[in-house]
Amino acid sequence: DQQVKQNSPSLSVQEGRISILNCDYTNSMFDYFLWYKKYPAEGPTFLISISSIKDKNEDGRFTVFLNKSAKHLSLHIVPSQPGDSAVYFCAASGRSSNTGKLIFGQGTTLQVKP
Amino acid sequence: KAGVTQTPRYLIKTRGQQVTLSCSPISGHRSVSWYQQTPGQGLQFLFEYFSETQRNKGNFPGRFSGRQFSNSRSEMNVSTLELGDSALYLCASSLSDRSEQYFGPGTRLTVT
Repeated sequence: DQQVKQNSPSLSVQEGRISILNCDYTNSMFDYFLWYKKYPAEGPTFLISISSIKDKNEDGRFTVFLNKSAKHLSLHIVPSQPGDSAVYFCAASGRSSNTGKLIFGQGTTLQVKP
Repeated sequence: KAGVTQTPRYLIKTRGQQVTLSCSPISGHRSVSWYQQTPGQGLQFLFEYFSETQRNKGNFPGRFSGRQFSNSRSEMNVSTLELGDSALYLCASSLSDRSEQYFGPGTRLTVT
């Protein structure tokens, strides 16, 4: 049972435009969500997170939106740059017994074309 | 501040052997988690240690084990290796259980 889903395996956008990566989750106990970027042969790099008490969090070019009723979150990258080309993973964790355990989606490969 | 380090970076083992991987967390981080990444299963949680205690465990067989030392460094061990254990093993550390996890570069294990 995949609790965190990234339904788009890949996304291609033009440099300077907006990239929108989507993620859905099924477990209502999740209350903390994160986005990571991963290059080949490297570990994931933390980008941005959001707690369930918020519906939006911004950090520079990166904004994460959380829609709890739809169990959906999205990552917006504006403007997109060629260096953003990587695999993006969303991850979720829940309270109490699940602390420290991140459940990851399958990833979306973003290609930003110059 | 130095990031999460993992050793070795690459490892080739034979079926039936055992292996030990090491992880040094970011200074001051007390929580260390381990993940396995494979093309078919993605990133899957193995276990998490906090203050030398295993606090959480994923759905992996008992051949996978770990421990954490008093300086927060952690090791994971896989015994009786199988071909399916070939994967990238990632270690992540965090300041607390409600903060973001920072990943090391991983250990690429190949079982032949």
